Amino acid sequence: ETGVTQTPRHLVMGMTNKKSLKCEQHLGHNAMYWYKQSAKKPLELMFVYSLEERVENNSVPSRFSPECPNSSHLFLHLHTLQPEDSALYLCASSPDLLRISGANVLTFGAGSRLTVL
Amino acid sequence: QQQVKQSPQSLIVQKGGISIINCAYENTAFDYFPWYQQFPGKGPALLIAIRPDVSEKKEGRFTISFNKSAKQFSLHIMDSQPGDSATYFCAASGGTSYGKLTFGQGTILTVHP
Repeated sequence: ETGVTQTPRHLVMGMTNKKSLKCEQHLGHNAMYWYKQSAKKPLELMFVYSLEERVENNSVPSRFSPECPNSSHLFLHLHTLQPEDSALYLCASSPDLLRISGANVLTFGAGSRLTVL
Repeated sequence: QQQVKQSPQSLIVQKGGISIINCAYENTAFDYFPWYQQFPGKGPALLIAIRPDVSEKKEGRFTISFNKSAKQFSLHIMDSQPGDSATYFCAASGGTSYGKLTFGQGTILTVHP
C-alpha cells in the first residue's frame, strides 16, 4: 500500500461508546496530523506529531485522545463524544515539520466519516 | 489574524468556462499559499502553490494570481471540465514555528457538461 491509509472509513457510535480511528502512512514522513472536516467550515487542525512527539494540541476536548506509537502510525481514541463531533476526520502526513516558514506539503488520507448518535 | 476567507461557497460553471475562486488573508507573515483539491470520498490533495515573490503561477489549466498589497489570491481554472468538479481549499502558512497551514472554508465546484 502507498500513501496515507485510514480505517475505518465509516463509523457510527453512541455517545457512551469508545472507539479508535487508525492512520498509517507509507511515505517515510516524520510528521503526522489529525484534521476535522465539517460542512462549510475550514479544515480544523486538531493535533500535530513530529517523530512520535505531540507538538500541538489545538484546544481539542479531552474526549479526543491521540496516540502516535511510531512515525508511521497515528490513532485517535474517541470516548463520550457528542453529536456535534460528527464529521470527517482526516489524517495527513508531511516529510518534516519545518522550523522556518515555508512549504509544508501535506498528504491526506481519505478520511474516517464519524457519526455520533 | 490567522483566518483565510474563501469565496464563493459554491460555483457552477459550464464546460469550457473559467472557474474563479478567491481567498483573502490577514496575517502578513503568511508566505506560502497552496490550493488543495478534494474529490468526493477522497482526502484533499495539493493542486498548485505560490509564494509572494511572484504575482502569478500557471500549471496547465490552473493559475494562481497573487496580490500581495491586497492580501488576496485566487485560483483560475481555464477551460473547466466536468472532471474538475470537486471541492477546492485555499490555504496559507508562514510566521509560525513549523509552517502550519490555515485553510479556507472550501468551494464546491460543479462543471456541467
